[in-house]
Amino acid sequence: DGGITQSPKYLFRKEGQNVTLSCEQNLNHDAMYWYRQDPGQGLRLIYYSQIVNDFQKGDIAEGYSVSREKKESFPLTVTSAQKNPTAFYLCASNWEAGGPSEQFFGPGTRLTVL
Amino acid sequence: RKEVEQDPGPFNVPEGATVAFNCTYSNSASQSFFWYRQDCRKEPKLLMSVYSSGNEDGRFTAQLNRASQYISLLIRDSKLSDSATYLCVVNGDGGSQGNLIFGKGTKLSVKP
Repeated sequence: DGGITQSPKYLFRKEGQNVTLSCEQNLNHDAMYWYRQDPGQGLRLIYYSQIVNDFQKGDIAEGYSVSREKKESFPLTVTSAQKNPTAFYLCASNWEAGGPSEQFFGPGTRLTVL
Repeated sequence: RKEVEQDPGPFNVPEGATVAFNCTYSNSASQSFFWYRQDCRKEPKLLMSVYSSGNEDGRFTAQLNRASQYISLLIRDSKLSDSATYLCVVNGDGGSQGNLIFGKGTKLSVKP
C-alpha cells in the first residue's frame, strides 16, 4: 500500500537531548513537509523540501534541522535549542514540487519532553 | 501576514441537521483551496478540494467566493461520524505556491 509512515508514534525525550523523527513515503512525491501542531492550534510549517538535497525553512525552523538525501525520506531532528518541543509533529508530501496540490499526511509523532 | 481564519466552534448539532462552516482567507492570489478533516489525535485527511464553480460530494458541498475571499462547507444530514475538526486550507505565496496555510479548524460535534 502506498502512503506516508512516521515513526515512532510516541517519543519521550529528556531536556537537552536531540531526537530524530522519521518520515518515509512511497508515493513518489517530489515535495515533503514537516509541520508542528499544538493543542487547539493550526499546523505550522517547520521545513519543506521540493527536491532531493534541497530544503527550505518554514515559519518556525529555529531549533530544528532536516535532511533530504533520498526522495522518499525526510527526517526531522528536534535539537536541544528548540525551547518548547512538546507537540504533535506531522509529515506530509505532495506531487508537484512548488505546485498548489493537496498534501497527504503521515500519522504523526507525539513528542513529549520530560 | 497571510492568514486563514475560521470560527473555532464548537458547533453542537443533532443528527440529521445541516451545518455550514465558513472560512476567510487574506491572500487574493491564492489558487488552491481545500477542506481537510482531522479526528482527535489523528492526522488531517483531505475531505475535498474546492473549485471555483463549487463542488459536491455526497452530503458535502463546498463553495468558493473569490470576490469576498471566503470558502464554505455545507454538511447535510449530519451523522455521528461527522464529528471532527474541519480545517480550511489555502495555498499561500512566499517562496513556493505549494505551501499551504492551514486554518485552526472548526470543531463539529454531532449528538444523537
